[in-house]
Amino acid sequence: DAEITQSPRHKITETGRQVTLACHQTWNHNNMFWYRQDLGHGLRLIHYSYGVQDTNKGEVSDGYSVSRSNTEDLPLTLESAASSQTSVYFCASSEAGNFYEQYFGPGTRLTVT
Amino acid sequence: AQSVAQPEDQVNVAEGNPLTVKCTYSVSGNPYLFWYVQYPNRGLQFLLKYITGDNLVKGSYGFEAEFNKSQTSFHLKKPSALVSDSALYFCAVRSRDGGATNKLIFGTGTLLAVQP
Repeated sequence: DAEITQSPRHKITETGRQVTLACHQTWNHNNMFWYRQDLGHGLRLIHYSYGVQDTNKGEVSDGYSVSRSNTEDLPLTLESAASSQTSVYFCASSEAGNFYEQYFGPGTRLTVT
Repeated sequence: AQSVAQPEDQVNVAEGNPLTVKCTYSVSGNPYLFWYVQYPNRGLQFLLKYITGDNLVKGSYGFEAEFNKSQTSFHLKKPSALVSDSALYFCAVRSRDGGATNKLIFGTGTLLAVQP
């Protein structure tokens, strides 16, 4: 069965370190998204991609970057981790088009100490 | 600007009673609306969506939602709640910022607690 996976599921890192969170989908979806979930804010979009070599900034992109070298993967990099980036991160994917639902991964809980 | 509001942080309902989780939206043009559910320590799961057509949309696990254009609402409903329905529910609207995109704007979520 097709799926979307994230790794690691839990990560503790120190302030200032570079961290990369992996997202891999086997749906063959063109669209991929990264969100962070924080209490009181719901889900906020960090970055998104509509295909290989395409990346776009979301509403909370500062301090994060992504790259899309193939259809299956959209890794999220925190260039220099900050305590404000402690959060739960979700990756999602969907078919191309205006009205398709998104499929979410299980999430990565990141703690920056 | 597009936005979604979920006015209740938590909804409590007894098992067997009907439940409603409220959502209102603000978009320009015709909205595409979604409901997702999140169980503890899990990712979000798609429940249902409204694109066009019948204002009453049926989805997974016996849930349905009613699109009301005049009230700009898309409330989630179920005739008879189960304890297993206890979860966090998110309403979302497609962002219309030009082009064929399906970015979603999410509400802040409503925690549904069903008591046995």
